[in-house]
Amino acid sequence: EPEVTQTPSHQVTQMGQEVILRCVPISNHLYFYWYRQILGQKVEFLVSFYNNEISEKSEIFDDQFSVERPDGSNFTLKIRSTKLEDSAMYFCASSEFGTGSKDTQYFGPGTRLTVL
Amino acid sequence: AQKVTQAQTEISVVEKEDVTLDCVYETRDTTYYLFWYKQPPSGELVFLIRRNSFDEQNEISGRYSWNFQKSTSSFNFTITASQVVDSAVYFCALSEAQGDDKIIFGKGTRLHILP
Repeated sequence: EPEVTQTPSHQVTQMGQEVILRCVPISNHLYFYWYRQILGQKVEFLVSFYNNEISEKSEIFDDQFSVERPDGSNFTLKIRSTKLEDSAMYFCASSEFGTGSKDTQYFGPGTRLTVL
Repeated sequence: AQKVTQAQTEISVVEKEDVTLDCVYETRDTTYYLFWYKQPPSGELVFLIRRNSFDEQNEISGRYSWNFQKSTSSFNFTITASQVVDSAVYFCALSEAQGDDKIIFGKGTRLHILP
């Protein structure tokens, strides 16, 4: 069964460093998302992406965050200068259809980011 | 504004007991979608069910069942004859048809099934 994959599973970085989290969505999906979950808290929406551009972003997704689909398979989240409060589990999700049909979003296993 | 409330932070039951996880939602949209996801100790988010606002039929899938009641804005989840493998955090979530595709999650209910 097709699934969303994410790498790495765990990333440790120093405050102020840049990190790139990688995701490979399900192959026929067109809509891509990033969510984060601070330890013990709820899952929060960060950004949605369709047709090579951001379609929606939350207040959390400020100028230090960016997303990119560099090729036909990868979808990346970059944090330019990490802060301690960026420590969280980051989930990538994808869906075949988006607005209107509200297709199910399938989530990857997550990348746990630890900022020291 | 859209909001999902899971009032039960943590529940513990003994194996084989039935357990119901409550979910209450708020939305101004007449068309919306409700979800349940399971997060086992390994951390991934596992999709369980998606229900649209026009379909109030209750659903059963094996030991899992869902009770959707628009009159009370609730979408409760029942596990029958619980098993230790059901131990996880369960998230109820909402997505509105208008506008963007984001899913709004509740804070989750941590379920412990005791052997």
